[in-house]
Amino acid sequence: DGGITQSPKYLFRKEGQNVTLSCEQNLNHDAMYWYRQDPGQGLRLIYYSQIVNDFQKGDIAEGYSVSREKKESFPLTVTSAQKNPTAFYLCASSMKGIRGYTFGSGTRLTVV
Amino acid sequence: DQQVKQNSPSLSVQEGRISILNCDYTNSMFDYFLWYKKYPAEGPTFLISISSIKDKNEDGRFTVFLNKSAKHLSLHIVPSQPGDSAVYFCAAIWSTSGTYKYIFGTGTRLKVLA
Repeated sequence: DGGITQSPKYLFRKEGQNVTLSCEQNLNHDAMYWYRQDPGQGLRLIYYSQIVNDFQKGDIAEGYSVSREKKESFPLTVTSAQKNPTAFYLCASSMKGIRGYTFGSGTRLTVV
Repeated sequence: DQQVKQNSPSLSVQEGRISILNCDYTNSMFDYFLWYKKYPAEGPTFLISISSIKDKNEDGRFTVFLNKSAKHLSLHIVPSQPGDSAVYFCAAIWSTSGTYKYIFGTGTRLKVLA
């Protein structure tokens, strides 16, 4: 079955540590996205990538980094510079020129 | 500045009745609107969409209405079922250079009471 997989589902991080969230898709989608969901704030775009080896900052990129070395994979690193990293993180993908997103099931990151 | 607003954070409806979820937007350049449904600890799933050149789109129990003059869209669910209880996000899209850019609303939590 084609889909988009995020791992892990739950992640705990100590303050000052970097942590990487995985996102893999086998839908042959060109574009991939990372969103963050906070209560009462909807989904906010962190980074997106339209093609391999290229990515763009979204609305709240500070404290995050990404890479897109393969079409299938778009990992997100939450760095120690991110001041408030506790949130639910969603990865999505889409074909270029297609409006609908396919979302992963999310990763809940908690800083302890 | 929130370009897409869902002013009701929550809504409770009796099973079998109509649920109406609302979304307001400010940008006339949006050319497509979508509704997503999200269960706790899961990713959103696409529900229904409407082009800006239409004023209504229907899919089973779900109908989306677009009022361009008022910059308002609404999602109607009839009849509401307990399984519809979820958070609903509206999203507005505009296209630029073959790329689609999304803005999501803040979500409305729907609770359907049995």
